[in-house]
Amino acid sequence: DTGVSQDPRHKITKRGQNVTFRCDPISEHNRLYWYRQTLGQGPEFLTYFQNEAQLEKSRLLSDRFSAERPKGSFSTLEIQRTEQGDSAMYLCASSSRFGLAGGPSNEQFFGPGTRLTVL
Amino acid sequence: DAKTTQPTSMDCAEGRAANLPCNHSTISGNEYVYWYRQIHSQGPQYIIHGLKNNETNEMASLIITEDRKSSTLILPHATLRDTAVYYCIVSRVTGNQFYFGTGTSLTVIP
Repeated sequence: DTGVSQDPRHKITKRGQNVTFRCDPISEHNRLYWYRQTLGQGPEFLTYFQNEAQLEKSRLLSDRFSAERPKGSFSTLEIQRTEQGDSAMYLCASSSRFGLAGGPSNEQFFGPGTRLTVL
Repeated sequence: DAKTTQPTSMDCAEGRAANLPCNHSTISGNEYVYWYRQIHSQGPQYIIHGLKNNETNEMASLIITEDRKSSTLILPHATLRDTAVYYCIVSRVTGNQFYFGTGTSLTVIP
């Protein structure tokens, strides 16, 4: 399977615990994105990497959230001291500079997501 | 990035064409129109995108008005598996975040 993969698919944790999610993008994609989605809403942008550089961060990304992409390949998203409001689906996406048709594009390909439940 | 406006929900009979509208009246000249869909509990799936010309692929057709202020996604022969939330997004091509909004919930009826 050459798509975006995320691990774990489901995570249940108690309030106050730390959790870490992993995303493996499509291998030739240099851009990687994290989004969060709560019930009934569309995905909301959290942060964006180009190679290993974190170029954009949303105001949604509080101090308890940190994302890394150390070698420009896989990425991790850590949430410290989880709160019940952190319960959501965390989605990862990747893209390259060029789209399926060969021209410049921002087609983002999404993974299946990690569903976090904070008790 | 420009924001989009979509109807909250739509129904379509199986086998008929589903036409999903989107308004993006503040779109800039360098912004593309992207369509994604999300089937329950899955990640969003790319459908199609375009700049100003109409586009077609194996999944759908995208019709963009001449002034680029609105577009329509057409699923030519809707099936039950097309039941999903459809998102219209406008974005520059240069590695930008997507603003999804709440999309249109399409229900294909047998």
